[in-house]
Amino acid sequence: NAGVTQTPKFRVLKTGQSMTLLCAQDMNHEYMYWYRQDPGMGLRLIHYSVGEGTTAKGEVPDGYNVSRLKKQNFLLGLESAAPSQTSVYFCASSYSPEANYGYTFGSGTRLTVV
Amino acid sequence: SQELEQSPQSLIVQEGKNLTINCTSSKTLYGLYWYKQKYGEGLIFLMMLQKGGEEKSHEKITAKLDEKKQQSSLHITASQPSHAGIYLCGAGRTGANNLFFGTGTRLTVIP
Repeated sequence: NAGVTQTPKFRVLKTGQSMTLLCAQDMNHEYMYWYRQDPGMGLRLIHYSVGEGTTAKGEVPDGYNVSRLKKQNFLLGLESAAPSQTSVYFCASSYSPEANYGYTFGSGTRLTVV
Repeated sequence: SQELEQSPQSLIVQEGKNLTINCTSSKTLYGLYWYKQKYGEGLIFLMMLQKGGEEKSHEKITAKLDEKKQQSSLHITASQPSHAGIYLCGAGRTGANNLFFGTGTRLTVIP
């Protein structure tokens, strides 16, 4: 089925460790996004991309890096994980930011930093 | 600070009852999106509203955007356990290439 696939689904990291979250979409969408979801805070935009080879900062970019080397993939990296980065991470994609059908979201990655 | 305020934060209703969730902004909204999130899963797109006074329906869910385009409501008629989840509203900012979201409303439907 077409859509957005996130890997891994769950991960536990120790403080200071690094990891990469992978987002893959097969809908040929130009725009891709990384959000984090925390209780009481809703969804907050970390980074986004408007096309292959581009990235831009969102509301809460500190401590994260991203890359969009291929159109279908958007990677989110944590270089040195901190407990404050414990969250559920969602990737989304769309053909335009004002798409009439909205964004297509992945099922999320639940990350715990201890 | 949150630019989209959702109310109520949580809602518990008996199956069969009607309910309304609100989403309010202090600024004019350019595209208002409603999503549903089942517990532990991703977000599912429900509807998008763009024009002041616009109303859309899908099955038993109706969403409206007021004339000033600063408030939207989501109304569920004859709620069912399958309606349970978190409902989020999202909107675009002028000149921005992304959506921002409200904090969500957690809906529980008791059989």
